[in-house]
Amino acid sequence: DAGVIQSPRHEVTEMGQEVTLRCKPISGHDYLFWYRQTMMRGLELLIYFNNNVPIDDSGMPEDRFSAKMPNASFSTLKIQPSEPRDSAVYFCASRPPGTTTDTQYFGPGTRLTVL
Amino acid sequence: KQEVTQIPAALSVPEGENLVLNCSFTDSAIYNLQWFRQDPGKGLTSLLLIQSSQREQTSGRLNASLDKSSGRSTLYIAASQPGDSATYLCATPGGSQGNLIFGKGTKLSVKP
Repeated sequence: DAGVIQSPRHEVTEMGQEVTLRCKPISGHDYLFWYRQTMMRGLELLIYFNNNVPIDDSGMPEDRFSAKMPNASFSTLKIQPSEPRDSAVYFCASRPPGTTTDTQYFGPGTRLTVL
Repeated sequence: KQEVTQIPAALSVPEGENLVLNCSFTDSAIYNLQWFRQDPGKGLTSLLLIQSSQREQTSGRLNASLDKSSGRSTLYIAASQPGDSATYLCATPGGSQGNLIFGKGTKLSVKP
């Protein structure tokens, strides 16, 4: 398996623009997590899905952030409009069924820079 | 609310030295504690997982211990090598089935 795939790997955009980050989880995994990593706050959970349904979105910072999972093999995280403080590395992780929270497999991340 | 802290934020050691990375957590009622390695530009790789009923786990030159009563875990790296240079994060489950709560990590640099 190719592991968790994220695209793009790097994104540079200007303030006010819409940004869409993409994630393909490992096939057969039924949990998908979106995390954000910054120097100040470290790695924080934004939202997670189970069987394509959002379970906990309490980590989503503002209404400018939205996430979808239209099917088991694809998820998006959208920021509209983007702001410089959204600059961070965004990670996607997936987890197979029948396991506990520890067995998360992380993608390589998307480094977002908002100018 | 669970909080995870890692000290120091950065550590530089000469090759061959044994070292200890520290992780502390505020809520001792944890299911498990996990140590990850993060290389620049890459995702996180799980190194060791200690269940709440365990005191330590070993993998090669790595040994992780867990003391729930004191809210602490340590990652011991023996005979460090330049290839060990990376950021090491500890994490513990934050809810019934969902997320992991991470420390901010310790950036380790092993000098040849």
